Amino acid sequence: SYELTQSPSVSVSPGQTARITCSGDALPKQYVYWYQQKAGQGPLLVIYKDSERPSGIPERFSGSSSGTTATLTISGVQAKDEADYYCQSADSSGTYVIFGGGTKLTVL
Amino acid sequence: EVKLVESGGGLVQPGGSLRLSCAASGFTFRDHWMHWVRQAPGRGLVWVSRINHDESSKSYADSVKGRFTISRDDAKNTVSLQMNSLRAEDTAVYYCVRSNYGFDFWGQGTLVTVSS
Repeated sequence: SYELTQSPSVSVSPGQTARITCSGDALPKQYVYWYQQKAGQGPLLVIYKDSERPSGIPERFSGSSSGTTATLTISGVQAKDEADYYCQSADSSGTYVIFGGGTKLTVL
Repeated sequence: EVKLVESGGGLVQPGGSLRLSCAASGFTFRDHWMHWVRQAPGRGLVWVSRINHDESSKSYADSVKGRFTISRDDAKNTVSLQMNSLRAEDTAVYYCVRSNYGFDFWGQGTLVTVSS
């Protein structure tokens, strides 16, 4: 079955740039979406259609996708950005939705 | 204000059934595809099922295919998930989610526990 692969964890100091990657064979054909989930809360959409930012999401959150890898970049990381981040896309047919396994962002 | 409110979760024995419901408000429900996503305790997000705006297309994750059925009632602005033959591995918080350029609104979730 189709999978999206994320590294389990990323650690950065405040003010640095965090990059979280998501790999999948169908990414050249399908958009990627990114969600932030803080402890004890529901998920929040932070990037849609590879690189678009929903209203209310800070400009320090950006996304890109090239080939089979998509990247969520958080510039000038703040303590409040500490959370689990999930990528989401679809299989090549667009029928099935898939989430990556999630990346835990730790702000040192 | 967009609201999605799930109900119907609880404790059920293996092999049992539950019906989850999600009441939507604050937007034109019939215009949107709707999804169910679950999250087992301490684990990641897993997509479960989706239904398009006119019920002509439904999809299920392989892990629930043949056991779960999604439906919607546009007159009542609700989407439901009928879950049969429940297993311990179905234990999770189940989220009702609106699809609109990604999953832009999520309910608060309802906990389903499958245990004897």
